[in-house]
Amino acid sequence: QVQLQESGPGVVKPSGTLSLICTVSGASISSRDWWIWVRRPPGKGLEWIGEVYPTGSSNIKPSLRSRVTLSVDKSRNQFSLTLTSVTAADAAIYYCVRSHQTGVALIHLQDWGQGALVTVSS
Amino acid sequence: EIVVTQSPDFQSLTPKEKVTITCRASQTIGSSLHWFQQKPGQSPKLVVKYASQSISGVPSRFSGSGYGTDFTLTIDTLEAEDAATYYCYQSSRLPYTFGQGTKLEIK
Repeated sequence: QVQLQESGPGVVKPSGTLSLICTVSGASISSRDWWIWVRRPPGKGLEWIGEVYPTGSSNIKPSLRSRVTLSVDKSRNQFSLTLTSVTAADAAIYYCVRSHQTGVALIHLQDWGQGALVTVSS
Repeated sequence: EIVVTQSPDFQSLTPKEKVTITCRASQTIGSSLHWFQQKPGQSPKLVVKYASQSISGVPSRFSGSGYGTDFTLTIDTLEAEDAATYYCYQSSRLPYTFGQGTKLEIK
């Protein structure tokens, strides 16, 4: 069974940098899957942030592209999110997610972490 | 960016009723539309993939249909445990996008 677990600071200062790590178990980060970050601000809906492939290739939501970096650490079976110049609008529950490539199709957002609450406060 | 619009935003029903949630995409997306269920305090869970394909372990009362720009999620014979917010999600074109969500209340 695949499990994903987010970790990182729960509080980030305005204009600071948010860094989250997702540790994957039960699957290899080097597989043909995509590794995704999704967030849910308080009282709002889900927002796709971006995705990273084991090669390091990534796709990021254009409105966040200048502030977001996604990366993969194969040695630790982890992937990470870095978001710079944080504001109150970035406060949210951040989920790490796997889209699984089967022999037939890509199963989008199949496996989710439990989520990490990030608050923006000085 | 493809905008995905769900309706209604909120619905309140009683057990055993049937509910239909719709999702409309601003551009044609074929069958690249997926449905998620999120209960309070939990992570989202995939309940239908590629518009109409079932997911192992998801009750058969959940079904999806549609192609192109218009899609529906149907839950037959509602149960109390179906209370949740439901989201559609398009994976046809980057950036991928979610609908705004439909909150389903079971009276």
